[in-house]
Amino acid sequence: QQQVKQSPQSLIVQKGGISIINCAYENTAFDYFPWYQQFPGKGPALLIAIRPDVSEKKEGRFTISFNKSAKQFSLHIMDSQPGDSATYFCAAKSGGSNYKLTFGKGTLLTVNP
Amino acid sequence: NAGVTQTPKFQVLKTGQSMTLQCAQDMNHEYMSWYRQDPGMGLRLIHYSVGAGITDQGEVPNGYNVSRSTTEDFPLRLLSAAPSQTSVYFCASSYSGGRSVAYNSPLHFGNGTRLTVT
Repeated sequence: QQQVKQSPQSLIVQKGGISIINCAYENTAFDYFPWYQQFPGKGPALLIAIRPDVSEKKEGRFTISFNKSAKQFSLHIMDSQPGDSATYFCAAKSGGSNYKLTFGKGTLLTVNP
Repeated sequence: NAGVTQTPKFQVLKTGQSMTLQCAQDMNHEYMSWYRQDPGMGLRLIHYSVGAGITDQGEVPNGYNVSRSTTEDFPLRLLSAAPSQTSVYFCASSYSGGRSVAYNSPLHFGNGTRLTVT
């Protein structure tokens, strides 16, 4: 059973455009939602995270939008740059999970120059 | 500060061989974990540990063993390699301790071990 569903699987965006990646979850006990960014040959690294008591969090060009009632959250990358080309993973964690993160299947983002 | 170090970077095994993937971290993190990454499957948790002497199974533990004798090291053992274990393996660690700041602390990943089983 996949607890965090991520879409699309791949995404191609022109430089300067907006990249949007969506995730949906089923477990209402989840209370921490991070996004990880992975470049080829490297391990994932935390990009931005949100708790469900806020509907939006922005850090530079990266924004998480959170809809608790719909059990959905999304990553928006404004003014996308070729250097943003990477694989992006959404994830979720619940308080009783001994710090275990459940990851989505990932989105390969390509930003064309 | 090296962070999370994984060795080897690449490994080829024959079916039935055994090996140990090494993971070490120098951040004094209590929590350590192993994930495997396969195309289209994302990151799946194999085993994890919340401290020295304590380990538990994740989502896909079959065929793998772990132990945690020190805070720094968390090796992953493949007892009898199978082609289905061909994957990229990531070790990750984070601060833990039950406080809210620790709960939100990020996972720090190593750069992975690419394993091929023929």
